[in-house]
Amino acid sequence: EVQLVETGGGLVQPGKSLKLTCATSGFTFSTAWMHWVRQSPEKRLEWIARIKDKSNNYATDYVESVKGRFTISRDDSKSSVYLQMNSLKEEDTATYYCTAAGAYWGQGTLVTVSS
Amino acid sequence: DIVMTQAPLSVSVTPGESASISCRSSKSLLHSNGITYVYWYLQKPGKSPQLLIYRMSNLASGVPDRFSGSGSETDFTLKISRVEAEDVGIYYCGQLLENPWTFGGGTKLELK
Repeated sequence: EVQLVETGGGLVQPGKSLKLTCATSGFTFSTAWMHWVRQSPEKRLEWIARIKDKSNNYATDYVESVKGRFTISRDDSKSSVYLQMNSLKEEDTATYYCTAAGAYWGQGTLVTVSS
Repeated sequence: DIVMTQAPLSVSVTPGESASISCRSSKSLLHSNGITYVYWYLQKPGKSPQLLIYRMSNLASGVPDRFSGSGSETDFTLKISRVEAEDVGIYYCGQLLENPWTFGGGTKLELK
């Protein structure tokens, strides 16, 4: 059974940092291109980052609004993908999902940025 | 970025009847490899999005064949035949052709 489990969300003040983890199982993680997608309180879906596999040099890509603030990474030995979020803004408030190529999704973790 | 526009915003369906949801992209989603990269998701209340249809017309594993996807390079349709209570939720189309992936605003399906 495929599983993706996100952790690390919570309430954080503007300007602070947070690191999300997505632990996976049930599929060949090492060859999967992994993504983070967030959903705003208004239910709008927004893709934010992608990391390719080793054969593609772990290339990363980001949506413009998070470039320079967020970093996606992965650890194939742990079948996990991460999202380091720095300089958080109130508009980053959302439920964050990891997804394997858009096919499998985790249950999400809520990030609330507020003073 | 590619803009995905869905219609209607909501649809109310009698159980057993059919429903259709439309999605339009601002750019062709047909890749040179012949694959059209439009995907359909259902987000049930309190759950994460689940894949229904991939690459315009392919049924995801475990999805009932009451669901079907069709379309052209820029206009797409999700059809649900014989709607059941478990089909309630928000339906999203998305383009996975290029980064950033983009999604429609969603269509809420409810039962009459």
